[in-house]
Amino acid sequence: GAVVSQHPSWVICKSGTSVKIECRSLDFQATTMFWYRQFPKQSLMLMATSNEGSKATYEQGVEKDKFLINHASLTLSTLTVTSAHPEDSSFYICSAGKDRQGVQPQHFGDGTRLSIL
Amino acid sequence: TQLLEQSPQFLSIQEGENLTVYCNSSSVFSSLQWYRQEPGEGPVLLVTVVTGGEVKKLKRLTFQFGDARKDSSLHITAAQPGDTGLYLCAGAMEYGNKLVFGAGTILRVKS
Repeated sequence: GAVVSQHPSWVICKSGTSVKIECRSLDFQATTMFWYRQFPKQSLMLMATSNEGSKATYEQGVEKDKFLINHASLTLSTLTVTSAHPEDSSFYICSAGKDRQGVQPQHFGDGTRLSIL
Repeated sequence: TQLLEQSPQFLSIQEGENLTVYCNSSSVFSSLQWYRQEPGEGPVLLVTVVTGGEVKKLKRLTFQFGDARKDSSLHITAAQPGDTGLYLCAGAMEYGNKLVFGAGTILRVKS
């Protein structure tokens, strides 16, 4: 079946560091990818939608200069948390859809736990 | 305001009991997905329902999509400790390409 791989699974770093998270679709071309943030025991909060070859669409309240998203190929999207601070600590999850309308159904990576000291 | 209301938020039951999780909205969805998530992992797709009134079964899990495609339910029969986890419903809006997630239901099944 479809598999989405996310790397790394856990990052601990100092405040001010930039952290890049990768999301790869392993057996299908993902024209649309989504990045979510999740706090403990809560639901997923959509951060942004990216379509291969075009700029990401950010949800209201999400700083695009803080969370840089790049979807340069049909199998890879990256999320870079720039100058991370403790309040950026969270569980980040990506998902991928197979076509431009994107979503049916979404396949999720295993998430990246980001801890900023 | 949550676009997709999911209830209950937390459920703790004994092994062997039945339970139902509900997701309700005033919006119409083109489809609705149910996911199960364990701590430290990503959500795993359980089912997608597309047609109003559709019922799908996955072993002891029964999923139903409302006739008007505004609501859905997940019923688990004879719950097992292995069913423990966070259950999420997510609706695909008719226009646009985003999923709207419910707040989630934390299920704990005690042996």
